[in-house]
Amino acid sequence: KNEVEQSPQNLTAQEGEFITINCSYSVGISALHWLQQHPGGGIVSLFMLSSGKKKHGRLIATINIQEKHSSLHITASHPRDSAVYICAVKAAGGTSYGKLTFGQGTILTVHP
Amino acid sequence: EAGVAQSPRYKIIEKRQSVAFWCNPISGHATLYWYQQILGQGPKLLIQFQNNGVVDDSQLPKDRFSAERLKGVDSTLKIQPAKLEDSAVYLCASSPPFRGSIYFGEGSWLTVV
Repeated sequence: KNEVEQSPQNLTAQEGEFITINCSYSVGISALHWLQQHPGGGIVSLFMLSSGKKKHGRLIATINIQEKHSSLHITASHPRDSAVYICAVKAAGGTSYGKLTFGQGTILTVHP
Repeated sequence: EAGVAQSPRYKIIEKRQSVAFWCNPISGHATLYWYQQILGQGPKLLIQFQNNGVVDDSQLPKDRFSAERLKGVDSTLKIQPAKLEDSAVYLCASSPPFRGSIYFGEGSWLTVV
């Protein structure tokens, strides 16, 4: 079992729909990142979370440390949101301190 | 602020040839990472530097991969000899000291034929 699991792996939506991508992890963490990767492009960090909730424009990220779960929400989705969304956790403590472990990514396609 | 610079962006080589990728992190970022991302998968850490010292290279295939960060600034990742399964995007990233944020380069796409 991977230390970081994302769901769904693939997601197709119509423009304007509300989208949720989930991330579950099994290790103790110091922070969780949500990253966006466009085809052919590099990776952009959207959020870094250690607790609670963050909002940036139409994007909202939440984390529940006790349940080891995070969600990324996109409101009023747009075709330009089409990308791969990756959850990555930064390990806390022990010999793995600071190491980033990535989920497999969620491929989002938003149709006009 | 300039981002993480990587070159070349694209490279096609034959198996058993060698290739080198270069990365210049954001100025002042002490931590530098090299990741390998195979199509359809999440990035896998190859090596992490703190200044010019290696923090983690446990997943670096040391029989064919090498990396250095001699002056604690830019870094080179080399593959010699390349195998077909090395076809991937090689991502460089950097982090500032005492902060958890991370910044990625555009990646270097390698195709081994």
